[in-house]
Amino acid sequence: DQQVKQNSPSLSVQEGRISILNCDYTNSMFDYFLWYKKYPAEGPTFLISISSIKDKNEDGRFTVFLNKSAKHLSLHIVPSQPGDSAVYFCAASARGGGGYQKVTFGTGTKLQVIP
Amino acid sequence: DGGITQSPKYLFRKEGQNVTLSCEQNLNHDAMYWYRQDPGQGLRLIYYSQIVNDFQKGDIAEGYSVSREKKESFPLTVTSAQKNPTAFYLCASQQSSYNSPLHFGNGTRLTVT
Repeated sequence: DQQVKQNSPSLSVQEGRISILNCDYTNSMFDYFLWYKKYPAEGPTFLISISSIKDKNEDGRFTVFLNKSAKHLSLHIVPSQPGDSAVYFCAASARGGGGYQKVTFGTGTKLQVIP
Repeated sequence: DGGITQSPKYLFRKEGQNVTLSCEQNLNHDAMYWYRQDPGQGLRLIYYSQIVNDFQKGDIAEGYSVSREKKESFPLTVTSAQKNPTAFYLCASQQSSYNSPLHFGNGTRLTVT
């Protein structure tokens, strides 16, 4: 039961253009959403997050959009740079039993930015 | 320089042996997590701990055990009962406040032959 889905395993974009990574979720209890960037053989690095009370959050070149009615979020990277080439994980969290934050990850999208 | 340290980076074991993966954090975070990454499956939660001397099973806890005797440390033991132990293991920590991101270590690649 994949509650967080990233349907595109890979994406190629020209340097300077916009990268759009998509994520869908099924659990309506999710109320906090995150994007992580991961290089091979390293741990994921937190990029940006959004609470369910917002529909957009920006941080420099990165913007996350949340469409609660469609249960869809996206990460926009503008402009894309070769250093952005990595695997991007979408994650969503809901308050679990005992109050802890259960974070569920998608399967990742490998972004390649072509110089 | 605060962070999460996982050691070793690569670990090789024979089938049937237990092995313990180390995770230490100096971020003063209360919560710690263990995830497993397999190709095409994202990150799956093995165990988590919200406080010292307390831990809970995640989605795939079978064949694993943990301890949380100190706030800074959350070692994971992969037992011989784990049927597919070869994987990339990631430890994470989190501030106790809700809606705070997980911070990850750089992982341990375990290969069991």
